[in-house]
Amino acid sequence: GENVEQHPSTLSVQEGDSAVIKCTYSDSASNYFPWYKQELGKRPQLIIDIRSNVGEKKDQRIAVTLNKTAKHFSLHITETQPEDSAVYFCAATLTGFQKLVFGTGTRLLVSP
Amino acid sequence: GAVVSQHPSRVICKSGTSVKIECRSLDFQATTMFWYRQFPKQSLMLMATSNEGSKATYEQGVEKDKFLINHASLTLSTLTVTSAHPEDSSFYICSARGRDRAPETQYFGPGTRLLVL
Repeated sequence: GENVEQHPSTLSVQEGDSAVIKCTYSDSASNYFPWYKQELGKRPQLIIDIRSNVGEKKDQRIAVTLNKTAKHFSLHITETQPEDSAVYFCAATLTGFQKLVFGTGTRLLVSP
Repeated sequence: GAVVSQHPSRVICKSGTSVKIECRSLDFQATTMFWYRQFPKQSLMLMATSNEGSKATYEQGVEKDKFLINHASLTLSTLTVTSAHPEDSSFYICSARGRDRAPETQYFGPGTRLLVL
């Protein structure tokens, strides 16, 4: 089955810096990769996703890149703000397959 | 958007009692609902997948007789924690997928924090 690894587990940056979170997946058949942001005690919220027919996707300060050959995908946040502080989870799945497999999470702290 | 609600948001119960958590899709029909458990500072752990009108599929290591799941309609799924014990204390989150939504996208409920004394 699919296995998703996520690094780093914690990431501290200064406001305005960029943050990068990386994930690797094991099942080359996976073709959908969402990223979720979870604030303390709240539900995970989908912030961006990418499908395997695309190498990069951007939405304002957030971008995701996918390297299918290496089975890596990464979340890039530019011009970080304190409100970006949260736990970020990557996930992977195959279209038509039921389950999302989540990474272990990255706690991002953006200091003013 | 796609709104998923959960009730209650938090519950405290005595050891040995049963607790029911409801998950509702408010503005779409949820063909599949998922139940997750999340311990502090950990990732979401899938407990079971339920399709409307079918028996839930449980993940390995999750006791089906302890965590009863019912998905009787396209807008409601329930999770009942039977004979709860302190080790069942956790954050329980449901998510739903809809027939008229992107097939892979899951919409999460706000979660239920369970504390078993």
